[in-house]
Amino acid sequence: GQQLNQSPQSMFIQEGEDVSMNCTSSSIFNTWLWYKQDPGEGPVLLIALYKAGELTSNGRLTAQFGITRKDSFLNISASIPSDVGIYFCAGLGDNFNKFYFGSGTKLNVKP
Amino acid sequence: DARVTQTPRDKVTEMGQEVTMRCQPILGHNTVFWYRQTMMQGLELLAYFRNRAPLDDSGMPKDRFSAEMPDATLATLKIQPSEPRDSAVYFCASAWDSNEQFFGPGTRLTVL
Repeated sequence: GQQLNQSPQSMFIQEGEDVSMNCTSSSIFNTWLWYKQDPGEGPVLLIALYKAGELTSNGRLTAQFGITRKDSFLNISASIPSDVGIYFCAGLGDNFNKFYFGSGTKLNVKP
Repeated sequence: DARVTQTPRDKVTEMGQEVTMRCQPILGHNTVFWYRQTMMQGLELLAYFRNRAPLDDSGMPKDRFSAEMPDATLATLKIQPSEPRDSAVYFCASAWDSNEQFFGPGTRLTVL
């Protein structure tokens, strides 16, 4: 099956810093999604990307669909304590039927 | 306020008991996914349905797990008999076709 590599696995940053995380794959994906999961809750959709090269923002979050269609990036600017959580990427495989999830990036923000 | 609902939110049971988890997808969504999340394995896709028909259940242990959609507003995941290694958080998600998936709050299962 198609595999997603998400990095970094975890990050410890100071409040106010910018954050960047990414997902890569050896296969082409047709859609990229980015989710955030708070403790004890289900993942919540942050951003959806549909075209190679697409750059989409949602407040302080910006995500990009890589030109090669094999990667995607999520950036968080001016981090705040409530950004703490686990961020997942998901890519829609070539069968257009199911999404493959990355292993998550655990973000810790120190006030 | 459209959202996926799951019941129960928490379940503690003894090994060998039957466990049934329920999911109500967002009204109008035709695709339902079941995931299992553990610290070790992350998010694993167990099964998914489109228009109530199972499309892929290759991620699900067939001997003890079963998933069904009795109707368009209800999906169930059953484990019989349950084992301690089944302890995890089980998420349901719904979508329209292959569009964005929306997750429920999960069922935290503990098998003693």
